[in-house]
Amino acid sequence: NAGVTQTPKFQVLKTGQSMTLQCAQDMNHEYMSWYRQDPGMGLRLIHYSVGAGITDQGEVPNGYNVSRSTTEDFPLRLLSAAPSQTSVYFCASSRTGKPDTQYFGPGTRLTVL
Amino acid sequence: GQQLNQSPQSMFIQEGEDVSMNCTSSSIFNTWLWYKQDPGEGPVLLIALYKAGELTSNGRLTAQFGITRKDSFLNISASIPSDVGIYFCAGTRGTHGSSNTGKLIFGQGTTLQVKP
Repeated sequence: NAGVTQTPKFQVLKTGQSMTLQCAQDMNHEYMSWYRQDPGMGLRLIHYSVGAGITDQGEVPNGYNVSRSTTEDFPLRLLSAAPSQTSVYFCASSRTGKPDTQYFGPGTRLTVL
Repeated sequence: GQQLNQSPQSMFIQEGEDVSMNCTSSSIFNTWLWYKQDPGEGPVLLIALYKAGELTSNGRLTAQFGITRKDSFLNISASIPSDVGIYFCAGTRGTHGSSNTGKLIFGQGTTLQVKP
C-alpha cells in the first residue's frame, strides 16, 4: 500500500490563479480530510468527507472547494489563490472515522505570491 | 475558533533528559491525542487517550488525560536525538467510537530540539 499520497509536493502560484491539490489513498478508507498548517497555528481543518459523494466544511473552508466522486480521491481546489492561502496542506484518511485510525499524507507546500 | 493551548512552544534539551509538555482547553474534550511531526512529513500518531484520568505509555512516551477533561500532558523520558521534531496535541469533543476525525482540534505544537 502506498498509504496517503499528495501531489504536488511544492507549488508556487500567483494571486488569482487556480489549482487543485491532489490526494489519494489506497486503503479503502471512507473518511478523508484536508488540513492546513501555518506557523504557530497547528493544523486546522478545511473540509472533510465521510464517504464518496459526501463532504462537509471544517474550521477554515473559505476559498476552498472539495468533491469526493470516488473513495480513493479527495482533491482540494483553490479557485482564486490569495497570499493568505500560503501554507502547508495535509490530507488525511481514516478507515473508521476515529482519529486513532487516521493517517496523514506527506503534505503540499503552497506559496501564493 | 476553538483552540487548544499547548506549552511550551519550544524546548532545547540535552540528550538523556526527560521532557514534559502539556495542552489545555477552556472546553471539555472526550478524546486526546498526541502526534509527532518530522520535518517535511505529516503528523504521526503517538498516543490516543479516551478516558478522564487515563495514563498510557508507548515506549519512552507517557501521556495522561486530565481528570477535568480540559487538559493532557505528554512526557518523554531519557530523550535521544531522534526525538527531535514538533509534537502536537489534538482533541475531539465527540464520544469515543463515533466518527469524529472531521472534528479534530490541534494545539499549536511544541518544537523539541535535543543536543547530543
